[in-house]
Amino acid sequence: DQQVKQNSPSLSVQEGRISILNCDYTNSMFDYFLWYKKYPAEGPTFLISISSIKDKNEDGRFTVFLNKSAKHLSLHIVPSQPGDSAVYFCAASAIRGQNFVFGPGTRLSVLP
Amino acid sequence: GAGVSQSPSNKVTEKGKDVELRCDPISGHTALYWYRQSLGQGLEFLIYFQGNSAPDKSGLPSDRFSAERTGGSVSTLTIQRTQQEDSAVYLCASSLVFGFNEKLFFGSGTQLSVL
Repeated sequence: DQQVKQNSPSLSVQEGRISILNCDYTNSMFDYFLWYKKYPAEGPTFLISISSIKDKNEDGRFTVFLNKSAKHLSLHIVPSQPGDSAVYFCAASAIRGQNFVFGPGTRLSVLP
Repeated sequence: GAGVSQSPSNKVTEKGKDVELRCDPISGHTALYWYRQSLGQGLEFLIYFQGNSAPDKSGLPSDRFSAERTGGSVSTLTIQRTQQEDSAVYLCASSLVFGFNEKLFFGSGTQLSVL
């Protein structure tokens, strides 16, 4: 059973518009969440994180929102740029220093 | 080095052969993780090392898979009697465990192809 779900395998957005990538989790013990971006033939690179004591974290064009009661988080990218086209993974951890569980990823395509 | 280094970057092997994949984590990082990504799939957790603690092997798919971490640094993932379903990108990551802004730093991966 997948503990971290990204139900949209792909998403297409026009350049300049907002991209919203969603992630749902089932384990209520998860308290720390990360978003990663992955280009083909490269390892994933860290984008942004959020802990369960917050409901929003912002870094430039990237904002992550956490709704603990719904066990849902989302990554907003605004404005979207063609270089943002990649696969985005969310990951969660239940205990600090333990392994991270990754979702299956969402492929974002930003169209010029 | 500045980042996580993995070797080889590509490995082609025949079914039934053993392979070893190497990971050099970022210096000073106490935690080391192995994940794999099969074609069209997400990142599947394999094994996790943290300092001198016993590794978390809960993600290893079979007893053909094993991993070591020598001296708290370099790690080797070994797959014995490889099967075609082992074909995937094997990713290594390291992290500083302590500290609020913990995050994983990934290598570029080893693309394993079992013929």
